[in-house]
Amino acid sequence: GAGVSQSPSNKVTEKGKDVELRCDPISGHTALYWYRQSLGQGLEFLIYFQGNSAPDKSGLPSDRFSAERTGGSVSTLTIQRTQQEDSAVYLCASSSDRASSYNEQFFGPGTRLTVL
Amino acid sequence: KQEVTQIPAALSVPEGENLVLNCSFTDSAIYNLQWFRQDPGKGLTSLLLIQSSQREQTSGRLNASLDKSSGRSTLYIAASQPGDSATYLCAVKVQGAQKLVFGQGTRLTINP
Repeated sequence: GAGVSQSPSNKVTEKGKDVELRCDPISGHTALYWYRQSLGQGLEFLIYFQGNSAPDKSGLPSDRFSAERTGGSVSTLTIQRTQQEDSAVYLCASSSDRASSYNEQFFGPGTRLTVL
Repeated sequence: KQEVTQIPAALSVPEGENLVLNCSFTDSAIYNLQWFRQDPGKGLTSLLLIQSSQREQTSGRLNASLDKSSGRSTLYIAASQPGDSATYLCAVKVQGAQKLVFGQGTRLTINP
């Protein structure tokens, strides 16, 4: 597609359930990022992928959070045993490795997660 | 630890005015700086990217400047329009890292 896409756009779940959020980056972009945007914390980095590997996972808030990327394209962010404080908008971004791109990051529309 | 601050948090001006949004960062060792726009309930739209070696970038009515030594960037919007109403976010990419560090944003309202 022309831009970064994310699904679902909205997810409501009960506390304790597991959720999976999906990101489709811009075609050909080798780098993929997950961020979280919440009212109290602003926009925070979660994890960065280069191809299928994740050299920077420093932003994952707990071991309940994990992510994977397959085929150098689609990524899934999984939150296990969701808590109310996980409620936020989860944003995905991708960037090209081409020098001319200066690693400009392009964002998807986000997934709004609500944990009841 | 890199910290990014945006002032003011909110700004309301009448249509047609020129305005400046401010962004400051604590660590001057940056790779680039991006300005984004976010409409309510939407994702981020990249407006301008300034490389650390550059002083400014322009796109239409938008002009972004960068003073790396003082840790400051400004986004200048000329002849503001109601459609410019949105939250504007500044983010820096630190050298040696891939993540962006974001400010809290400036919520801009342009009144017709």
